[in-house]
Amino acid sequence: AQRVTQPEKLLSVFKGAPVELKCNYSYSGSPELFWYVQYSRQRLQLLLRHISRESIKGFTADLNKGETSFHLKKPFAQEEDSAMYYCALSPPLNSGATNKLIFGTGTLLAVQP
Amino acid sequence: GAGVSQSPSNKVTEKGKDVELRCDPISGHTALYWYRQSLGQGLEFLIYFQGNSAPDKSGLPSDRFSAERTGGSVSTLTIQRTQQEDSAVYLCASSSIPGGELFFGEGSRLTVL
Repeated sequence: AQRVTQPEKLLSVFKGAPVELKCNYSYSGSPELFWYVQYSRQRLQLLLRHISRESIKGFTADLNKGETSFHLKKPFAQEEDSAMYYCALSPPLNSGATNKLIFGTGTLLAVQP
Repeated sequence: GAGVSQSPSNKVTEKGKDVELRCDPISGHTALYWYRQSLGQGLEFLIYFQGNSAPDKSGLPSDRFSAERTGGSVSTLTIQRTQQEDSAVYLCASSSIPGGELFFGEGSRLTVL
């Protein structure tokens, strides 16, 4: 069964400190992986996806198939990064499975001044 | 409208009543998702519509929940005989392609008294 685990409900760091939001997944194959973010009073929106290999707002995420992890990292946190972050998984497009996106329980990142 | 629209934004109902939640996806988006967002549970997948294919209903928590999508556009999520544990924010999202970026609505907050 496909599952996404985010072990931390809350992560509090000081401005300028490094950030790592953990995400582990369970899937028998090579899934598509995403990070979505919800800022206060805004809609949930895509932050980045692993196939793009982009850095968005200074965040990066590396897929580690051996550890089945897709942790989100940023070297220097900013106050405006404070938000709820969700890791998500969907089967690959050619798998024949429905492309529903399964989310983790989310991690609230609080960046203190 | 440019984005996914959901109504009502807030709904308070009495236990045992039926409720209907509406989602208007982005025009032309073939994929439509319903999720339930509650504290500690993260984003719980409910149902997924893709084009004319049979919907993936595997996330519906009980037979009190049902959803339909008329004409490949507007979707309605119906909860019959509401219970207090149904209280949550119900989010709708749409996507232009399977496995593509999800665009979320602002959600419908349901409170069952």
